Amino acid sequence: DIQMTQSPSTLSASVGDRVTITCRASQSISSWLAWYQQKPGKAPKLLIYKASSLESGVPSRFSGSGSGTEFTLTISSLQPDDFATYYCQQYNSYFTFGPGTKVDIK
Amino acid sequence: EVQLVESGGGLVKPGGSLRLSCAASGFTFSSYSMNWVRQAPGKGLEWVSSISSSSSYIYYADSVKGRFTISRDNAKNSLYLQMNSLRAEDTAVYYCARGLEYSGYDVWGQGTLVTVSS
Repeated sequence: DIQMTQSPSTLSASVGDRVTITCRASQSISSWLAWYQQKPGKAPKLLIYKASSLESGVPSRFSGSGSGTEFTLTISSLQPDDFATYYCQQYNSYFTFGPGTKVDIK
Repeated sequence: EVQLVESGGGLVKPGGSLRLSCAASGFTFSSYSMNWVRQAPGKGLEWVSSISSSSSYIYYADSVKGRFTISRDNAKNSLYLQMNSLRAEDTAVYYCARGLEYSGYDVWGQGTLVTVSS
């Protein structure tokens, strides 16, 4: 089974900050990685697919990069609406979510 | 409007059974793979099961294999999850989600809470 890790687990940041979250896979998953945003009590929302493709309607301040085993989600300028928990998901072999990264207010 | 609506959650005793449903609308249901994802209280997301558009391919997480059964009825635009031999650790909000080939899950329902407790 492919295991996913994320770092950090919690990130404290201010509005306007550049934020980077890292996701690592236990084996190569090529570019078969998605990123989701989840707010409390709500369903997850797809942000990025195939490691770097921006889902329709998602603001361009979100970007993804990486391939193989290491991936990053970057928010170029954090906005108030971006305080949430972010999950990566591999879909190279079945499906596995990372443990999540909570972005909270500094 | 593209929408998924789950139902069927509730309180069940350990060892009991429950059947979840997910009603799809606003898109051609029979063209998409569908998935169940769960989230235990205060925890992260866990993939549960997936079914291809024609039900030809079905996959389960090891944690539910042999106890849960995923199915779909394309004529009724509906996805199901039959859950048997339920355990306390199955307590979670269960989401259905539409799968895009090579692109993750782009549409999610609002979730339905399953509580397994005596």
